[in-house]
Amino acid sequence: QKEVEQNSGPLSVPEGAIASLNCTYSDRGSQSFFWYRQYSGKSPELIMSIYSNGDKEDGRFTAQLNKASQYVSLLIRDSQPSDSATYLCAVNEGFQKLVFGTGTRLLVSP
Amino acid sequence: NAGVTQTPKFQVLKTGQSMTLQCAQDMNHNSMYWYRQDPGMGLRLIYYSASEGTTDKGEVPNGYNVSRLNKREFSLRLESAAPSQTSVYFCASRISLSAEAFFGQGTRLTVV
Repeated sequence: QKEVEQNSGPLSVPEGAIASLNCTYSDRGSQSFFWYRQYSGKSPELIMSIYSNGDKEDGRFTAQLNKASQYVSLLIRDSQPSDSATYLCAVNEGFQKLVFGTGTRLLVSP
Repeated sequence: NAGVTQTPKFQVLKTGQSMTLQCAQDMNHNSMYWYRQDPGMGLRLIYYSASEGTTDKGEVPNGYNVSRLNKREFSLRLESAAPSQTSVYFCASRISLSAEAFFGQGTRLTVV
């Protein structure tokens, strides 16, 4: 079983809708969680980090963390075609390793 | 401020050849990482260096070696390349073990 799990998608949403991306992890000791966006042929770029249970908002993006359920999610409000990309969840494991999920491909249609 | 720089950007190797992928960061980061990315597999950790002078294996270390040359540089060596090592390789660094990581532009390696 992979340590960080994501649905590979694609997740298709119409422009203006809310996209919901989910991630589960296996290490109960994990304390740091990250969402990255990766366009095809490009490097991953950080969208948000979250360290505490609850919600963290940044513009159109909201990260949600539930350590008891070992679950972290990313909501994208008012989705735009330019949001079409692969979204990678990353989790700190064993304090030193930064482990990624396989990513969820998001398609936003005009 | 260049961030994380990887060289080369593209490389074609023949089976059995060796090569070193170079990574350098100018952000005074303590931790550095090497990942490979294959279709449908996400980013898989090859090796990492939590701090200068230390290196540790990740998920897929077989066939690779690393050197943390100094605080800035972290190289990845393929001693005898195999077609299964065809992939896109990313180097990343971060200031601390709880912080976000920043990525280089990647090296696209093909082994024929």
